[in-house]
Amino acid sequence: AQSVSQHNHHVILSEAASLELGCNYSYGGTVNLFWYVQYPGQHLQLLLKYFSGDPLVKGIKGFEAEFIKSKFSFNLRKPSVQWSDTAEYFCAVKKTGANNLFFGTGTRLTVIP
Amino acid sequence: NAGVTQTPKFRVLKTGQSMTLLCAQDMNHEYMYWYRQDPGMGLRLIHYSVGEGTTAKGEVPDGYNVSRLKKQNFLLGLESAAPSQTSVYFCASSYYRTGPTEQYFGPGTRLTVT
Repeated sequence: AQSVSQHNHHVILSEAASLELGCNYSYGGTVNLFWYVQYPGQHLQLLLKYFSGDPLVKGIKGFEAEFIKSKFSFNLRKPSVQWSDTAEYFCAVKKTGANNLFFGTGTRLTVIP
Repeated sequence: NAGVTQTPKFRVLKTGQSMTLLCAQDMNHEYMYWYRQDPGMGLRLIHYSVGEGTTAKGEVPDGYNVSRLKKQNFLLGLESAAPSQTSVYFCASSYYRTGPTEQYFGPGTRLTVT
């Protein structure tokens, strides 16, 4: 079965620190990749997505992610986090041609002012 | 546009009671989904629909039923609620372009079964 792994369960950073959240998936075929963010008490919002083309994807709020096919990874990065980035971050994968997403278990980010 | 809306926002049920969660979207999306979110487990797909009148099982369908009588609505039913169904339920929708694209989520329904 396809799985999505987010190894960091809880990350605590100070403001202005750099962020990298890991995401690995187990499916070997063509995939679409997503990062969603869930701010406290809110619904999931799309941060960025990769369908094809340039493996370095830029999203909203200064986030970016790099698809490395050989490593089955889609890590999320931000050079300088802000207190407002405190949220839970979910990686999701969809096999091309499939109808549904598979989500990772999420990484909770706490940014200390 | 309201996007994806869900009613109710909160609900408390007793074991064995039934209820229906309503999801509505005004984006004319073909695909709709129901997920549950539990601590440490991310989102798991319960059921989904690829169009009006069609439904399919997801990863954790047991104990739930769904219906999609109108394109804009997707109903999730619990016939006999159990404490294991205490969770936050999210509805999502996506449009079709040679396959479903990114999903847009509703605000969630927090359900407690006692």
